[in-house]
Amino acid sequence: EVQLVESGGGLVQPGGSLRLSCAASGFTFSIYSMNWVRQAPGKGLEWVSYINSVNIIYYADSVKGRFTISRDNAKNSLYLQMNSLKDEDTAIYYCATSSGHFDYWGQGTLVTVSS
Amino acid sequence: DIVMTQSPDSLAVSLGERATINCKSSQNVLYSSSNKNSLAWYQQKPGQPPKLIIYWASTRESGVPDRFSGSGSGTDFTLTISSLQAEDVAVYYCQQYYNIPRTFGQGTKVEIK
Repeated sequence: EVQLVESGGGLVQPGGSLRLSCAASGFTFSIYSMNWVRQAPGKGLEWVSYINSVNIIYYADSVKGRFTISRDNAKNSLYLQMNSLKDEDTAIYYCATSSGHFDYWGQGTLVTVSS
Repeated sequence: DIVMTQSPDSLAVSLGERATINCKSSQNVLYSSSNKNSLAWYQQKPGQPPKLIIYWASTRESGVPDRFSGSGSGTDFTLTISSLQAEDVAVYYCQQYYNIPRTFGQGTKVEIK
């Protein structure tokens, strides 16, 4: 059974940093493309970042230069380093596998940016 | 960026009746080489992550009831729930994966009338 478990969310002040993690199990993590998708409270879904099996990486314009996606295949883990956080980054952050569409999703971790 | 626009924003349907959600993309999402549309549909219930229900515009994900169907091509797509059940109350999103950035529609809330 595919499982994705996010962690690392919390309350942070504007300008601060957080590192999110996503622990994967139940599939061969190293060959899968992975994504971060976020959802602001009461709002819709926004794709954030993508990394594939050979570390080709893309970002949404809204986070480019501030967020860094990475993966550790030995640990079956996906990461999102978030710097220079803004109020508008407040959201639930989901990790998701993808083959274009997002096949499996974790339960998400809440990031709140507030002073 | 490809803009995805869903209609309506919300709809209320009686149990057992048909629910229809439309999704329009600002540009074509059909791969001519494979004749496949890079369009997916997700269902999100309160407090839960989204769940993939349809991909390639009309392929039902494993385990999804056959009352859910997807249709359309190019720029216009439809998700149909043929006979609404109580457990189908949710927000539904379309998403294109034709190019980066991946983009979603704004969501359609389906309720029971």
